[in-house]
Amino acid sequence: DTGVSQDPRHKITKRGQNVTFRCDPISEHNRLYWYRQTLGQGPEFLTYFQNEAQLEKSRLLSDRFSAERPKGSFSTLEIQRTEQGDSAMYLCASSLTGTLRAEAFFGQGTRLTVV
Amino acid sequence: GEDVEQSLFLSVREGDSSVINCTYTDSSSTYLYWYKQEPGAGLQLLTYIFSNMDMKQDQRLTVLLNKKDKHLSLRIADTQTGDSAIYFCAEKDTGGFKTIFGAGTRLFVKA
Repeated sequence: DTGVSQDPRHKITKRGQNVTFRCDPISEHNRLYWYRQTLGQGPEFLTYFQNEAQLEKSRLLSDRFSAERPKGSFSTLEIQRTEQGDSAMYLCASSLTGTLRAEAFFGQGTRLTVV
Repeated sequence: GEDVEQSLFLSVREGDSSVINCTYTDSSSTYLYWYKQEPGAGLQLLTYIFSNMDMKQDQRLTVLLNKKDKHLSLRIADTQTGDSAIYFCAEKDTGGFKTIFGAGTRLFVKA
């Protein structure tokens, strides 16, 4: 296992289209996080899962956004009816509870451009 | 609520030391982190410090924590051009689940 992987790396879509991103966490990690990063800003928390349960959602996550982690392994983030303001880097991270530090390991991100 | 603030830019000459500063608001944070992001890449954990420590050294990196003032700093000794990147200060939130990031400090290293 080489780390957190995200697919695709880049996505260009027309406004109004739906997009879906995938994240494969480090295999033994039970927590999975989605963050959004816009230019010049740090990552902003969107949501996180512990195993398959979605335990917290940010107010940034409008009802056009939905995330799933059906079997507690990979996760998908779907954005419906994309808007230009959704253009950002979407980062996935995973961590393991029970470890002292429980730091998050990040993937390379999916850069979304809405035109 | 939780908030992490950093200065936005730092420019140093190659071989000098760099010091990146950060303030945070959540006094109950157990761990504080420094992440590095190179252009077009994800975030890489550089180092961390536990809240009951004052200092941690890891090769060229020194982390200083002033818990009273809620101030965290990262010192990079003998800064190299390869250190040019964005450095994010981060804390675990009160619940210990999500990580809260600052806006990042862009480090420019001049040859």
